[in-house]
Amino acid sequence: ETGVTQTPRHLVMGMTNKKSLKCEQHLGHNAMYWYKQSAKKPLELMFVYNFKEQTENNSVPSRFSPECPNSSHLFLHLHTLQPEDSALYLCASSPPETATGNEQFFGPGTRLTVL
Amino acid sequence: AQSVTQLDSHVSVSEGTPVLLRCNYSSSYSPSLFWYVQHPNKGLQLLLKYTSAATLVKGINGFEAEFKKSETSFHLTKPSAHMSDAAEYFCVDRRAGRRALTFGSGTRLQVQP
Repeated sequence: ETGVTQTPRHLVMGMTNKKSLKCEQHLGHNAMYWYKQSAKKPLELMFVYNFKEQTENNSVPSRFSPECPNSSHLFLHLHTLQPEDSALYLCASSPPETATGNEQFFGPGTRLTVL
Repeated sequence: AQSVTQLDSHVSVSEGTPVLLRCNYSSSYSPSLFWYVQHPNKGLQLLLKYTSAATLVKGINGFEAEFKKSETSFHLTKPSAHMSDAAEYFCVDRRAGRRALTFGSGTRLQVQP
């Protein structure tokens, strides 16, 4: 276990549904991330939050809406998704910035299927 | 442009033989480099990281990687493969001043009995 949990682990939704993915880290980290892992494509960064403030949005469509109420929790709100949004959504966290490269700790992911 | 390139999408080895997974990085900056592993239906786990302290980096489960500036490479090796090593491996970099990681396309390692 990495100390990063994600719920639900699997989600099936229709294109008109609204759902949310949840991520929680128990590591005392201050930065949290959402990544998308699609078949046959490299892992893509979606959003970065540092001390609850969004610092990066990698040109993600507005049908994905992140929320970071505190440094331990991160949500990804989903609405009017498309079938091509089906993927594994991974959450990660990392400690405060240091002079040397600090790794990110990943959750197990939510496998999302959009019908 | 992708900053790390994994040269093989699939590698197959026999149990007990050496493993070599190849990665080249962009030479335009001094990176922090990582290798992550992803087992089926699991999240990503850090194997090792390079942060300029030492060019030969030892990681978990017997893996190691050598940073070679002259070749802009950071290949992952293991002397003897185990069946449990079968997974997908990602070479990852992190540019100075950015928190986000950039992932390579991944190498799927198969270990034959």
